[in-house]
Amino acid sequence: GAVVSQHPSWVICKSGTSVKIECRSLDFQATTMFWYRQFPKQSLMLMATSNEGSKATYEQGVEKDKFLINHASLTLSTLTVTSAHPEDSSFYICSARLRGVTDTQYFGPGTRLTVL
Amino acid sequence: GESVGLHLPTLSVQEGDNSIINCAYSNSASDYFIWYKQESGKGPQFIIDIRSNMDKRQGQRVTVLLNKTVKHLSLQIAATQPGDSAVYFCAENITNTGNQFYFGTGTSLTVIP
Repeated sequence: GAVVSQHPSWVICKSGTSVKIECRSLDFQATTMFWYRQFPKQSLMLMATSNEGSKATYEQGVEKDKFLINHASLTLSTLTVTSAHPEDSSFYICSARLRGVTDTQYFGPGTRLTVL
Repeated sequence: GESVGLHLPTLSVQEGDNSIINCAYSNSASDYFIWYKQESGKGPQFIIDIRSNMDKRQGQRVTVLLNKTVKHLSLQIAATQPGDSAVYFCAENITNTGNQFYFGTGTSLTVIP
């Protein structure tokens, strides 16, 4: 149980295009999902908290208009990188919170974005 | 602000030996901790968790120890195998921040055959 999927797993795009990444909780409902960014050999950096039915909460320094988040249902959150540029190239990882005694987070497999 | 750090960025162990990965946290209000394993190019994988009302918790070949007095936790891996080679993160949960987890920098574990 507690499986989180991401799609696509790897995307290569031209500079200036927009890329949408999907995060799905496959066997549980997640009212809260989190989006992280990770650079090589570094830790996870929280970008935003995605809440079902409401606006996402962005961390300081993360551009809301650049990284659009939509939590359309209890099992799906999407991150859209708008007008992507090479500096947006990174590993994007989502996690979904399994509500319970401890609210454990389970991570997706990640999406590698390469902007040419 | 909160910080979760690891004592050693890299660790090499012989196959079959036990591994110990350490983590320090700074916020005494943290009440829930998770160890994650991340293999290259993959998302973090949940290994084991522990709440602050516990000092020790065991899983399959893994044990997490929590010392609240010195704000330190460790992950012990018994009979380390090549498949254990990965980066290990400890994550700290502070309940009054909306269940956001804070991650340390990670320790890269290399198992030598």
